[in-house]
Amino acid sequence: GNSVTQMEGPVTLSEEAFLTINCTYTATGYPSLFWYVQYPGEGLQLLLKATKADDKGSNKGFEATYRKETTSFHLEKGSVQVSDSAVYFCALSILTGGGNKLTFGTGTQLKVEL
Amino acid sequence: NAGVTQTPKFQVLKTGQSMTLQCAQDMNHNSMYWYRQDPGMGLRLIYYSASEGTTDKGEVPNGYNVSRLNKREFSLRLESAAPSQTSVYFCASSEAASGRQTQYFGPGTRLLVL
Repeated sequence: GNSVTQMEGPVTLSEEAFLTINCTYTATGYPSLFWYVQYPGEGLQLLLKATKADDKGSNKGFEATYRKETTSFHLEKGSVQVSDSAVYFCALSILTGGGNKLTFGTGTQLKVEL
Repeated sequence: NAGVTQTPKFQVLKTGQSMTLQCAQDMNHNSMYWYRQDPGMGLRLIYYSASEGTTDKGEVPNGYNVSRLNKREFSLRLESAAPSQTSVYFCASSEAASGRQTQYFGPGTRLLVL
């Protein structure tokens, strides 16, 4: 079956530090890959996505590249801010006969301190 | 444009009681989804509706029923609540049942079953 594995949290960084959150996946077929972010007390919102191998998704200074050879989609940001504190979810989606179903990782909590 | 709305925001039930969680979207999306979020487990799909008039089981459907009332509304019903159903429930929608489509999430309903 399909699955997503992401690094355990919480990850605690100082402001302006470099961020990497690892994500690897197992899938049959050719998935689309997503990073969603959940701020405290809110629902999930899309951060970025990539729909084919070697695509790079980017948004708000965050980037992730779809690596088919390593089945990875690691999230990076060069300089984090306190406002980036949230839970980050990696997810994949494969079109099946029943439609667009997301498979999520367990989430990684990021805490950014001054 | 409110996006995806959910009611109620918070609910406490006793074991064996029933309730319906409501979800509506105003983006003219065809597909809608119900997820539950539990600590350390990410989000898991309960039921989804690829298009108006269709519903299908997701990963964890036991103890739940759904109704796609019309294109805008998708409700989740707990017929006889159990403590294991204590969770945060998220509704989502997407334009179509395509693996590349972004899903848009509501703010969630926090349910406590005593």
